[in-house]
Amino acid sequence: QIVLTQSPAIMSASPGEKVTITCSASSSVSYMHWFQQKPGTSPKLWIYSTSNLASGVPARFSGSGSGTSYSLTISRMEAEDAATYYCQQRSSYPWTFGGGTKLEIK
Amino acid sequence: QVQLQQSGPELVKPGASVRISCKASGYTFTSYYIHWVKQRPGQGLEWIGWIYPGNVNTKYNEKFKGKATLTADKSSSTAYMQLSSLTSEDSAVYFCARDWDYWGQGTTLTVSS
Repeated sequence: QIVLTQSPAIMSASPGEKVTITCSASSSVSYMHWFQQKPGTSPKLWIYSTSNLASGVPARFSGSGSGTSYSLTISRMEAEDAATYYCQQRSSYPWTFGGGTKLEIK
Repeated sequence: QVQLQQSGPELVKPGASVRISCKASGYTFTSYYIHWVKQRPGQGLEWIGWIYPGNVNTKYNEKFKGKATLTADKSSSTAYMQLSSLTSEDSAVYFCARDWDYWGQGTTLTVSS
């Protein structure tokens, strides 16, 4: 199966700071998808097909990448962005998720 | 509006089986995949499988074959996941999701004697 490795596992950022979360795949994938999850709630689709923002996602978020290397970027961190972010691949079964990146606000 | 309403928390004994439901509303149930995801306490997400209610086709993560069985009832727009031979490793929150864009609220399963 394709293993997705996210880094960092935990990070904190100050309001206004640029944030980048990376997701490395053990084999090449066609697209990467990203989910946001806050404690006690269901995950939300955040970015689909590498770079498309899901409905309602602020424009300060962006996604990029190809092959085995993908990233999620927040241009300017806001308090509401504090959450855990998971990458997911659906190029090869079994579909897999990364281990998650917990993003905290400083 | 699209909603997925999952059944309530379950406390079951080891060795037993349980069925979790996911009732869909606000869209055509037979036109979208339903995915199931497992999340152990404090852990990440694990894909269990999908079912397409339109033709009841299913696809499972090999890891969950023999553990999870996915079904769907078109008449009630409800998807089900049965988990069998439960152990403490099955204690988790289980989510259903419609094509990844809408999610149920999650069902907490606790396996304990």
